Amino acid sequence: DAGVTQSPTHLIKTRGQQVTLRCSPISGHKSVSWYQQVLGQGPQFIFQYYEKEERGRGNFPDRFSARQFPNYSSELNVNALLLGDSALYLCASSLEPGGGAQETQYFGPGTRLLVL
Amino acid sequence: DAKTTQPPSMDCAEGRAANLPCNHSTISGNEYVYWYRQIHSQGPQYIIHGLKNNETNEMASLIITEDRKSSTLILPHATLRDTAVYYCAGGGTSYGKLTFGQGTILTVHP
Repeated sequence: DAGVTQSPTHLIKTRGQQVTLRCSPISGHKSVSWYQQVLGQGPQFIFQYYEKEERGRGNFPDRFSARQFPNYSSELNVNALLLGDSALYLCASSLEPGGGAQETQYFGPGTRLLVL
Repeated sequence: DAKTTQPPSMDCAEGRAANLPCNHSTISGNEYVYWYRQIHSQGPQYIIHGLKNNETNEMASLIITEDRKSSTLILPHATLRDTAVYYCAGGGTSYGKLTFGQGTILTVHP
């Protein structure tokens, strides 16, 4: 079975631009979460979506937004890019929220974003 | 939110058990403890999780203290391929936020 897939793998943008990152969950998984990982740190939670609705949001500005589609794939959008947005953006999928085995999140390979 | 604290680095000899500690004293009663590892900035790989009881799977064992304030991940026979950054994370509640610590760089030596 295919794991979580993300596109693109790498991206270079300039300050002020906008970016869209894409994620396809594991087949059968209905929940998608997004994380930002700055070099040398652990991943930080941005959003979780379940059944196309936002279920959780981390401490990120409104420049960050996301959505989930009927096929459970998801997009993360970041507007007005800053240098500090340079990071590895990770998508994780799980069967459903609720803890334990159902909630176990499986991560994709990530999208490496560099803002110049 | 469960804030986790881990030692920044540890060494282990190949073939020996690697015991990686994690402190999560602020974990709430319904939050699970998850362990992941990450190699060369790839996506984190799931290892194991638990709530109260000790757990074992084909990759590792997880020992959670009775007060749930700390846990230990045990890799029973470490290999060179186990060299990675190991993260413990709290979470698994209804809205799915995992709170990661800074991670432990485990280096397995021949």
